[in-house]
Amino acid sequence: DAGVIQSPRHEVTEMGQEVTLRCKPISGHNSLFWYRQTMMRGLELLIYFNNNVPIDDSGMPEDRFSAKMPNASFSTLKIQPSEPRDSAVYFCASSPAGGDYGYTFGSGTRLTVV
Amino acid sequence: GDSVTQMEGPVTLSEEAFLTINCTYTATGYPSLFWYVQYPGEGLQLLLKATKADDKGSNKGFEATYRKETTSFHLEKGSVQVSDSAVYFCALSEYNFNKFYFGSGTKLNVKP
Repeated sequence: DAGVIQSPRHEVTEMGQEVTLRCKPISGHNSLFWYRQTMMRGLELLIYFNNNVPIDDSGMPEDRFSAKMPNASFSTLKIQPSEPRDSAVYFCASSPAGGDYGYTFGSGTRLTVV
Repeated sequence: GDSVTQMEGPVTLSEEAFLTINCTYTATGYPSLFWYVQYPGEGLQLLLKATKADDKGSNKGFEATYRKETTSFHLEKGSVQVSDSAVYFCALSEYNFNKFYFGSGTKLNVKP
């Protein structure tokens, strides 16, 4: 199993540009999570999906952030327009049904907005 | 609501020292408890877990026991190595919600 695959690993963009982060969960996992990690705020849950349906997006900071999961094997997190304060590492994680299996995290996308 | 509190870091130890990282939790139901480890430049990896009271999770020499009476899940290792240097996260999940609550992370530095 290749694990949770995120792309790109690093992204540098200019303020105001659109940024799209991608995630491929582990096959058979029906829950997918997007997290943001910064030194100041630690790990923050942005949104999670069960069976491709968004369940809780209360962590999405602003309308500039949007996430989709068009099918069980792919999800995107989009920031439009991007701002310097969006600079962070964004992690995707997936898990099977139920809360006691644990998450499997991807390696993250390090986003820098200049 | 549910939450996890873990000790502030960084924790600095010499190689072969004993490690304890404290973690306490607040939960409305009967959560499962986890420790994750994050090495520099990588994502979080599941280190160990316990799904009910008095269970002990263990992996790679690390252990943690689910203590319902003290709502704690402290991480311990008898003899740390330089390669254990990382950030450790305590987390809980309520089964019905499949949503995790993470602590703020504790950075461990092990010196040779």
